[in-house]
Amino acid sequence: NAGVTQTPKFRILKIGQSMTLQCTQDMNHNYMYWYRQDPGMGLKLIYYSVGAGITDKGEVPNGYNVSRSTTEDFPLRLELAAPSQTSVYFCASSGGGPLNIQYFGAGTRLSVL
Amino acid sequence: RKEVEQDPGPFNVPEGATVAFNCTYSNSASQSFFWYRQDCRKEPKLLMSVYSSGNEDGRFTAQLNRASQYISLLIRDSKLSDSATYLCVVNIWGSMRFGAGTRLTVKP
Repeated sequence: NAGVTQTPKFRILKIGQSMTLQCTQDMNHNYMYWYRQDPGMGLKLIYYSVGAGITDKGEVPNGYNVSRSTTEDFPLRLELAAPSQTSVYFCASSGGGPLNIQYFGAGTRLSVL
Repeated sequence: RKEVEQDPGPFNVPEGATVAFNCTYSNSASQSFFWYRQDCRKEPKLLMSVYSSGNEDGRFTAQLNRASQYISLLIRDSKLSDSATYLCVVNIWGSMRFGAGTRLTVKP
């Protein structure tokens, strides 16, 4: 019953540091997504992928990079962490199609100090 | 204008009350619609999909009006366990757009 797994659960970064948020899914879903959620706000789409080797920008891509070398994995890279990137990050996957129901990981809580 | 707008809330209701949430969306190319539930500091989880014909799941009823670009969620006989934030979500060609959420607190 793994579903979508995110690591780490928590992380504190210093300004300018880099890190990769990991996301893996075992449902053989083609679609994967990265969102960020600031306190009291809805989810904002950072990047998404419709299949291995294909990625596209969402609403708030600046400061982030992604890759999709396999169906299962969709890591999110922060190159030069800034305080504005303090947020909760959620990864999700879906099978696509007309409904495109998304399944979410438990989230990564990131603080940049 | 935001792509997906929801009632700002918060809603504070007694147990047993009926409560309704509204949501509007701006993109007429939107293909599918959902209500997700998010508990404090947890990930969103699908509550129900929303269809034009309306659909019901126990105490929850969802409705979609494509002409008005309006989605609703009705919760009957509220339980303490219904306390959460309810997110209206719209699928636009595989790219999901989330409303900011409406917070519901059900009190004894």
